[in-house]
Amino acid sequence: EPEVTQTPSHQVTQMGQEVILRCVPISNHLYFYWYRQILGQKVEFLVSFYNNEISEKSEIFDDQFSVERPDGSNFTLKIRSTKLEDSAMYFCASSEGELEAFFGQGTRLTVV
Amino acid sequence: LAKTTQPISMDSYEGQEVNITCSHNNIATNDYITWYQQFPSQGPRFIIQGYKTKVTNEVASLFIPADRKSSTLSLPRVSLSDTAVYYCLVVKDSGGYQKVTFGTGTKLQVIP
Repeated sequence: EPEVTQTPSHQVTQMGQEVILRCVPISNHLYFYWYRQILGQKVEFLVSFYNNEISEKSEIFDDQFSVERPDGSNFTLKIRSTKLEDSAMYFCASSEGELEAFFGQGTRLTVV
Repeated sequence: LAKTTQPISMDSYEGQEVNITCSHNNIATNDYITWYQQFPSQGPRFIIQGYKTKVTNEVASLFIPADRKSSTLSLPRVSLSDTAVYYCLVVKDSGGYQKVTFGTGTKLQVIP
């Protein structure tokens, strides 16, 4: 079964540092997403990416965040200057359209 | 996007059928009802999606009344491994999962 792959599974970083979270979406999918889940809370939408550009973003996705699809396979989320409150599980997902979205196993980001 | 409301938690004994109801009063004509399952420290996993009446797959059934303002996920004969959080989502028929919101979900605890 096709799957979305995320690396690393766990990242620890110091406050103020930049982090890049990586994802390999399913190859024939057209839509790519980043979500995050703070421990014990809801899964929150961050951003969607379609046709090589951001199609929607939430209020959480401020200037500290950026996404990129540097080649035909990878999809990255960059946080420029991490804050303690950025500590969360970050999920990448992809979909062909409105049907099933496939989520990765997540990257646990811990900002210390 | 339509907001969803579902019970915060439910308990069930092994072998029982479990029905989780979700209300989505503001659902639009072009919205699909979609359910996901999430285990701790894992990404959400698609269970089932429907537009109206009844949909069944190997995992679950989804019942949607004519007014589509609510839906019921039915899990037949649950086992301990079905203990998870179940999310009801409303997804538009175009644009994929852009700005799709996960609510608080229903935490299902299956008891031996």
